Amino acid sequence: DAGVTQSPTHLIKTRGQQVTLRCSPKSGHDTVSWYQQALGQGPQFIFQYYEEEERQRGNFPDRFSGHQFPNYSSELNVNALLLGDSALYLCASRWGRLPDTQYFGPGTRLTVL
Amino acid sequence: GNSVTQMEGPVTLSEEAFLTINCTYTATGYPSLFWYVQYPGEGLQLLLKATKADDKGSNKGFEATYRKETTSFHLEKGSVQVSDSAVYFCALKQAGTALIFGKGTTLSVSS
Repeated sequence: DAGVTQSPTHLIKTRGQQVTLRCSPKSGHDTVSWYQQALGQGPQFIFQYYEEEERQRGNFPDRFSGHQFPNYSSELNVNALLLGDSALYLCASRWGRLPDTQYFGPGTRLTVL
Repeated sequence: GNSVTQMEGPVTLSEEAFLTINCTYTATGYPSLFWYVQYPGEGLQLLLKATKADDKGSNKGFEATYRKETTSFHLEKGSVQVSDSAVYFCALKQAGTALIFGKGTTLSVSS
C-alpha cells in the first residue's frame, strides 16, 4: 500500500511565475491538507480539501489555491510567486472519520529565484 | 490563539544518553497533542499522540505524557541511538481545526 505521494520532488521557479504541486493520498483516505514548511520552521497549515471542496483555510493569501479531484488526489497552485514562497510543501491525508491520524508525504521542495 | 512552544535546538547527545525535549502549549479547551519526527530528506511521521489529560503516548522507546496542569507534553527517551537523529515537532489539534506545530528541535546523536 503506497503512502502519500507528491510530485515533483524539487522545483525551481522565478518570481512572478505560477506553480502546481500534486498529491496522491494514501489509499482509503478522502481528506487532503497542505502545509508550508519554511526552512528551520514548523509546518504551517494552508488549506484542507474534502469532497472536492475547500473546508478549512489557514492564514495564506488568495495566491494559494487548490483543487481536489474525484479520486481524492489534490493540487496546490501558487500564483505570482514571491521569494518568500520558497519552502517545503507537505501534503497530508487522512480518513475523514479519524481526524487525528494524518499521514504526510515527503514534500515538494520549491525554490523561487 | 493556539500555539506550541518547544525547546530550541540543536540537542546533541551521545548514544545511550537520556533525551528530553520540552514542549508547552497554549490552547482553549482540550486539544490532542502529538509528536512528529522528520528524518533528513523525508516528510513528517507521527511518533506518538495523546488525546486527553494524563494520557501517555509511547512508540519506539519514546514517551510523552499529556499534562494539563502544566500545559506540557515533553518527549523523553531513556537511551537514544544514532538512528534517532532527526527533527522533532510537537503539535496540537483541536476538533475541527488543523494541526499547529512548534518550530521543531533538531536532535543529533553521536556514537
